[in-house]
Amino acid sequence: AQKVTQAQTEISVVEKEDVTLDCVYETRDTTYYLFWYKQPPSGELVFLIRRNSFDEQNEISGRYSWNFQKSTSSFNFTITASQVVDSAVYFCALSEARDKLVFGAGTILRVKS
Amino acid sequence: GAVVSQHPSRVICKSGTSVKIECRSLDFQATTMFWYRQFPKKSLMLMATSNEGSKATYEQGVEKDKFLINHASLTLSTLTVTSAHPEDSSFYICSASQDWGYGYTFGSGTRLTVV
Repeated sequence: AQKVTQAQTEISVVEKEDVTLDCVYETRDTTYYLFWYKQPPSGELVFLIRRNSFDEQNEISGRYSWNFQKSTSSFNFTITASQVVDSAVYFCALSEARDKLVFGAGTILRVKS
Repeated sequence: GAVVSQHPSRVICKSGTSVKIECRSLDFQATTMFWYRQFPKKSLMLMATSNEGSKATYEQGVEKDKFLINHASLTLSTLTVTSAHPEDSSFYICSASQDWGYGYTFGSGTRLTVV
C-alpha cells in the first residue's frame, strides 16, 4: 500500500530565507504520480505540481523548485526567498495504479516578516 | 482549467438532522469523485471513492449508513451526513478526477458544525 511521510511537522523561517519541505514515499508500483498541494488558512487546496514516476527531471517554477529522486523515494519541495504569503500547510501526495490520492501528514510553514 | 464547485462552504446544523454537500465538476466530466475529511491541524483522510452510476467504495472505518454518497451523473456527487452529531463536525473536501493522468481537482471544502 502506498504511504507518504512528511517528517517535518512545522517549520518557521524568516522572510527571504530558503526552505525545503521533505517528502518520502512508499509504493510497490512502478507507475505512480506525486503531487504537492498548498492549503492556506482559508482551507482550499491549491495544486502546485504533479510529477509522474518516469519523469525524474527537477522542476523550477518561479521561487518554487522540486527535487524528485527515485533512488531515495523522495520528492522534496524548496521555496526560495520565502515570503509571508507562503505561510500555509503543504501536503505531499501519491497516487498509484489509477487509485486514490494518499496524503502525507502535512508540514506547517510559518514565514515571519 | 478544471474547476470543481463545492457547496455549501459552511453549514451549521442541529444534532440529529441530515446535511447534504454537493460537489460539481463545472467544465469536465468526472468519472471518479473522492470525498475527504480533515480534522483541525490534521491531514486529509479519504472517506470514499465514487464512480458515476455505481456504489461508492468506502474506506475502512467509515460508516456507509452515516455518510451517504451518490454519484448520479458525471458532473455531480453528493455527500449526505445523516443524523449528524457534534463529532461529525469537520472540514469535508471533494475531489474530481477526469482521468488518472490528468490529476485531481479539489473543491473549496465545506466546514460542517453540528450543534
